[in-house]
Amino acid sequence: AQSVAQPEDQVNVAEGNPLTVKCTYSVSGNPYLFWYVQYPNRGLQFLLKYITGDNLVKGSYGFEAEFNKSQTSFHLKKPSALVSDSALYFCAVRAHDYKLSFGAGTTVTVRA
Amino acid sequence: GAVVSQHPSWVICKSGTSVKIECRSLDFQATTMFWYRQFPKQSLMLMATSNEGSKATYEQGVEKDKFLINHASLTLSTLTVTSAHPEDSSFYICSARLAGGPGRHEQFFGPGTRLTVL
Repeated sequence: AQSVAQPEDQVNVAEGNPLTVKCTYSVSGNPYLFWYVQYPNRGLQFLLKYITGDNLVKGSYGFEAEFNKSQTSFHLKKPSALVSDSALYFCAVRAHDYKLSFGAGTTVTVRA
Repeated sequence: GAVVSQHPSWVICKSGTSVKIECRSLDFQATTMFWYRQFPKQSLMLMATSNEGSKATYEQGVEKDKFLINHASLTLSTLTVTSAHPEDSSFYICSARLAGGPGRHEQFFGPGTRLTVL
């Protein structure tokens, strides 16, 4: 079965500092990995995906993620965090039937 | 592109009544739609997969007679919570998948519906 894990419930950073949200995956076959962000009482917004190709994936709002096959990781990064990046972040993996399995989520708080 | 809407955005109902939530793909055709449930500060739990013109496939532990799903067209799926009770109060989110093309790998999410059962 496909699964992802987000080891951190919360990440706190100061505005302007780098932001990293961790995700590790467990899949059979090639992984299809995604990052979504959720603001309070809102649906999920797509940030980026890894299907194949370059290990460094660039996404929306200045976010990027690095696919690391040897470490089975897909960490989300942003070089300089903004207060408006404070939200709930989900890593997800797609199964063969297109269902998504989500991680538990990581709450990011960026302090001014 | 790839916008998904939900209606209503929030609903309050009395215990025992039924509530219908609509999920629409506004600018694309969605062969498959998914329904999720999310409790506060928790992850999304997949409830069912809805395919146009066929019966929905429910995840283990989800009562199909309580959560009725209809996918009558390529742009509309509905979730009806029948005989709602306070424990059904939750945030319900739908998503839709493109039928083909490079975007077929991802799901596009609606804004969610907050259901509160009194």
